[in-house]
Amino acid sequence: AQSVTQPDIHITVSEGASLELRCNYSYGATPYLFWYVQSPGQGLQLLLKYFSGDTLVQGIKGFEAEFKRSQSSFNLRKPSVHWSDAAEYFCAVGARAQKLVFGQGTRLTINP
Amino acid sequence: GAVVSQHPSRVICKSGTSVKIECRSLDFQATTMFWYRQFPKQSLMLMATSNEGSKATYEQGVEKDKFLINHASLTLSTLTVTSAHPEDSSFYICSVPRRGRGIWNTEAFFGQGTRLTVV
Repeated sequence: AQSVTQPDIHITVSEGASLELRCNYSYGATPYLFWYVQSPGQGLQLLLKYFSGDTLVQGIKGFEAEFKRSQSSFNLRKPSVHWSDAAEYFCAVGARAQKLVFGQGTRLTINP
Repeated sequence: GAVVSQHPSRVICKSGTSVKIECRSLDFQATTMFWYRQFPKQSLMLMATSNEGSKATYEQGVEKDKFLINHASLTLSTLTVTSAHPEDSSFYICSVPRRGRGIWNTEAFFGQGTRLTVV
């Protein structure tokens, strides 16, 4: 069965510090992986996606993610966070952009 | 600008009434749309697949008579919560996949979501 695990429910980092959000997945075929960000009461915005090719994917807002097949992971990173990055982050897996299975989400808090 | 428009963004209704939520694809046609539900501080769970011209496909455990889905056109899907109860209070989000040439143009666009409160 398909599943996504985001081990960290809540992370707090200082503004300007680096960030890594973890994501592990279980998928029977070649995974299509996504990271979305959700601000309070809002819909989801796509940060980046991985389908194939280069395992290091660049996204919007300075985010990147690295696909590691051996570890079934797709961790999201940002070298220096900004206060505006505070939000809920969801990792998702699915077949292309069809039915998506989401992780539990990681809430990011930024300390000034 | 927004690619998917979802309306209303917030609705409060009385128990026993029905609420209709609309999801519109603004930039492209979609034969398939998806409806998700998000409980407070939890992840999104797929409820159903809306299919233009045919019946919706519901995920296991989702009551099709409670959550009526109509894919009226290639740009509009509606979710109607019938005989709403307080436990139906949740955040509902639609998703519209866009398939372009090649997999890199494939992306799911999400609506802004609808916060339903049943009192």
